[in-house]
Amino acid sequence: DQQVKQNSPSLSVQEGRISILNCDYTNSMFDYFLWYKKYPAEGPTFLISISSIKDKNEDGRFTVFLNKSAKHLSLHIVPSQPGDSAVYFCAAKGGGYQKVTFGTGTKLQVIP
Amino acid sequence: EAGVAQSPRYKIIEKRQSVAFWCNPISGHATLYWYQQILGQGPKLLIQFQNNGVVDDSQLPKDRFSAERLKGVDSTLKIQPAKLEDSAVYLCASSLGTGARQPQHFGDGTRLSIL
Repeated sequence: DQQVKQNSPSLSVQEGRISILNCDYTNSMFDYFLWYKKYPAEGPTFLISISSIKDKNEDGRFTVFLNKSAKHLSLHIVPSQPGDSAVYFCAAKGGGYQKVTFGTGTKLQVIP
Repeated sequence: EAGVAQSPRYKIIEKRQSVAFWCNPISGHATLYWYQQILGQGPKLLIQFQNNGVVDDSQLPKDRFSAERLKGVDSTLKIQPAKLEDSAVYLCASSLGTGARQPQHFGDGTRLSIL
């Protein structure tokens, strides 16, 4: 049972344009959402997060949007840079001890 | 601040052999996690420690996997005996606590290949 889904396994974007990565979840108990970025042969690194009581959180070039009624969140990267090329994981927290459930990841390629 | 340290980086063993991984979390982090990441999938939580106690091991295959966190600091994850489907990257992560706003910090993982 995949509770956090990233339906696009890959995405290619031109440098300077917007990258939009999508994530859907099914469990209503999730109350905090995170995005992690992963380079090859490295562990995931935390990028940005959002609480379920908000619908937007912004940090520099990165913005996360949450649509709680649709159980959908998205990560916007503007402008996209070649160094943003990585795998992006959506993750959701909820329940006792705030267990984290990860999606399957989207590989972003930013073309110079 | 030193990050999460894991060793070894790579391990190749034959099926039915045993293997152990080691993790040293960020100093002061009370919560430690072990994840299994199979190629093409997201990390899957195997076990979560709060200090030296287990708070979630619901997805740990307990017939072959074991983990301990003695003294509430570093941790070891063991597989005995290994199966072909255990080929994966094993990630260790730590966080200050389990609060929603406390992100996990990951090590670079151990890539395990089973022949």
